[in-house]
Formats: sequence, structure tokens, C-alpha cells
Amino acid sequence: GQQVMQIPQYQHVQEGEDFTTYCNSSTTLSNIQWYKQRPGGHPVFLIQLVKSGEVKKQKRLTFQFGEAKKNSSLHITATQTTDVGTYFCAGPYENSGGSNYKLTFGKGTLLTVNP
Amino acid sequence: DVKVTQSSRYLVKRTGEKVFLECVQDMDHENMFWYRQDPGLGLRLIYFSYDVKMKEKGDIPEGYSVSREKKERFSLILESASTNQTSMYLCASSQKPGLGYGFGSGTRLTVV
Repeated sequence: GQQVMQIPQYQHVQEGEDFTTYCNSSTTLSNIQWYKQRPGGHPVFLIQLVKSGEVKKQKRLTFQFGEAKKNSSLHITATQTTDVGTYFCAGPYENSGGSNYKLTFGKGTLLTVNP
Repeated sequence: DVKVTQSSRYLVKRTGEKVFLECVQDMDHENMFWYRQDPGLGLRLIYFSYDVKMKEKGDIPEGYSVSREKKERFSLILESASTNQTSMYLCASSQKPGLGYGFGSGTRLTVV
């Protein structure tokens, strides 16, 4: 079945260090999305990438979609304690038995930041 | 911003009980989803609905059913709750299935 693999599972950094999480799909994606879930919270949509090789920035966060549209990365420059949480990537896959698409999530990368 | 409201933040139910989890969204979205989230397993899709009275099974539908009588409301039903259904349940909605989701705050269900 469709899989979205995300690494690393955990990452602990000192405040000010950079952080990167990687996402790989078993199949080509029409788009890839990133979400952040704070401890005790719910996932919050961050961004969607659509084009091959696309790069988008949100302040200290840089999102990249691979040329083959099968992988993506999220890079945070100079982490802060407010960056703590789990970062998920997700891609739409056609649901088996139907013509509709479902969003399949990676298992996420838990980022902790030591102040 | 999309507002997705789940009726309960915490629930404790007994084994064998019928459990209803309610979700309401205010953005007139056609697509609504139910996920459960468990440590180490991530977010797994239970059911989704792309229109009123329409539903489609996700990856783990066993033991669950859903109801979508109105566009804004999507209910998850545990026909006979079991302890392995103890989990965080998250409802989401989107304008289209492949676009960004708005999530509710979640319902942490404990089955004893």
C-alpha cells in the first residue's frame, strides 16, 4: 500500500541549531503537505507544495519538494523553543476501492529543543 | 480559518458501550475525515466522507461506522467499544480531499 516514510523519528537540538526532517513516498505525489502538532495539541496545516523542485519559505522554515515529487524536506534554521512539536508530512493517495483521495501521513518527527 | 469542533475533549466509556463522537465544521467543506492517533503509529484514517450521506472506508474501519446526515456534521460511531479503541480521535475537514486539512482539537477516548 501507499506509504509515507519520515525520518528521523526523534530529534533533540540545542536552541539555535538547525533541524531537518525528511519525507519519502513510495509513489509520485500530486502534492505534499506539512503539519505541526504541538505537545497536547492537534495537527495544524503549515504548507502545501505542488510543483516539482518547489521551494517555499516561512520565516525560518524552508520546505522543499523533490524533482521526482516523491520526497520532501522541512528545514528549520536556528531553532527556538517555540519550534518544539511533531512535524508531519502527508500526501494524497487514491483510496483503494474508490476514486477519492485520502491524505496519508508520515509518522512524524518529534523535535525537542534544549534552551 | 476553518473551525472544526469536536464535542468532547475527554471521554471515558465502558467496554461494550455504543459511543458517538461528534464533529462539526463551519466552512461548508464537502470533505470530512476521522483519524485516530496512537504513539508510534501516527495518524491513521478510519473513515471519510466526500458528500452528505456518502462515506468511504479508510485504512482501519473495523469496529467503527460513521454518519453524515448534514454537510457540517460528521459522526464517528463505535458500535461496541473495546479497550483497543482507547485512543486520540481527530476529526478534519477540507475543501477537497487532496488539499490542506483543518483539524479539531481531538477527543481522547478511554475505554475501560
